[in-house]
Order: sequence, then structure tokens, then C-alpha cells
Amino acid sequence: DAGVIQSPRHEVTEMGQEVTLRCKPISGHNSLFWYRQTMMRGLELLIYFNNNVPIDDSGMPEDRFSAKMPNASFSTLKIQPSEPRDSAVYFCASSFWVIELPGGPEPQHFGDGTRLSIL
Amino acid sequence: QQPVQSPQAVILREGEDAVINCSSSKALYSVHWYRQKHGEAPVFLMILLKGGEQKGHEKISASFNEKKQQSSLYLTASQLSYSGTYFCGTPETSGSRLTFGEGTQLTVNP
Repeated sequence: DAGVIQSPRHEVTEMGQEVTLRCKPISGHNSLFWYRQTMMRGLELLIYFNNNVPIDDSGMPEDRFSAKMPNASFSTLKIQPSEPRDSAVYFCASSFWVIELPGGPEPQHFGDGTRLSIL
Repeated sequence: QQPVQSPQAVILREGEDAVINCSSSKALYSVHWYRQKHGEAPVFLMILLKGGEQKGHEKISASFNEKKQQSSLYLTASQLSYSGTYFCGTPETSGSRLTFGEGTQLTVNP
């Protein structure tokens, strides 16, 4: 079975440019998570969706960041305009999660990540 | 609020044991453990739920002490493949997203 698929794997762009990261979750999963990982801040949750609806975007650093999930098999994370401090590895993860059940999310399956460098 | 992991780093020789701790200042509903190898994505290891239910795989065990708001991950007879950074994640409420600790870097040498 295919896992979570992210594209591109690497992105190098200049400050001020728009960056779009893409994610295809595992088929049948209803929750999708966008994380950012840096040495300084560790693994941070930016936003997550449940049944294509954004549930918690409190981790989105500022208005330059936006995320969409138009359908169950696709999500994008957009940064516009990009800045050097946005350089990081961005992970997308998916799981099957019924929010009403206790215990928190089910096991999350991570994609290979996008390594983003803003010059 | 971010859970606190200890130690920050540990170096072992193959075959030795290690314990990684994860504690929270808030009530724990569950604790999730992931391992990330250098340059790779985090991989799920285990979930521990209130009441003692444990979901996971591999030859790694864990405990969950609700009263102490703490979980410990036990790696016994470590193998070279155990090297990586271990993260614990905890939901703030029963149905909320995970917040991950800063990670514990484990190195197993031959």
C-alpha cells in the first residue's frame, strides 16, 4: 500500500516567492496533519484536518501560511511570501481518527517530508 | 503544553538497556511514542491509553503512570537499529491533537 506522499521532496527558492507543498494521505484515512521540524523548535504541529475540515490551525505561525484540503485525497500548505526563517522540513501525516473517542489520535503515518530552503 | 522528555541524549553499547521518560504537567489521556532516524520521517511505535491498554509493535515496551502523569519507554538489549530520536506526544484533552516533546537522541554503538 502506498504511504503518505509528499511533493516536492526538496525546494529551494528565493525570499518573497510563493511556495506550495503538497500531500496525498493514505487512502481511507480521515485526518491529515501538517508539521514543521527545525533544530530550534523541534516538531511543531501547524494545522490538522478531520474529514477535510480544518480543526485546529493555532500552530500556523502567521497569515503568510495557509492550508487547504479540497478533498479526502489531497492537501496543500502554502507560504506566501516566503522568508528565510521558514526554512525547515515540513511533514504531512495522516491517520484514521474519530475525534469523539477518547485517547487522542490514532497512529499517524508520516510522509518523507519536504526540505524547504528559502534563500 | 509540551511534555518534557529525559534524558535529552543517551549513548549505549549494543545489548545495553535504556529508559526514556516523558512527563506532563497536565493530566494525561494517552501517550504516543515515535522514533525518527536521521534524515527520515517519524515512525509510530506505540500508544498507551488510560486504563492500561497498549497498542504498538516491535520489541519495545512502555509504561503509563496516570497518577504521576508520566510514561517511560523501555528499550532492552538494544540493537544498532534502535538509534534515532524518540519523541513522546500527548493530547491536551481527550479528543485533541498531539503535542510532541523535544525528543531524546539515542545512539547505539557496536
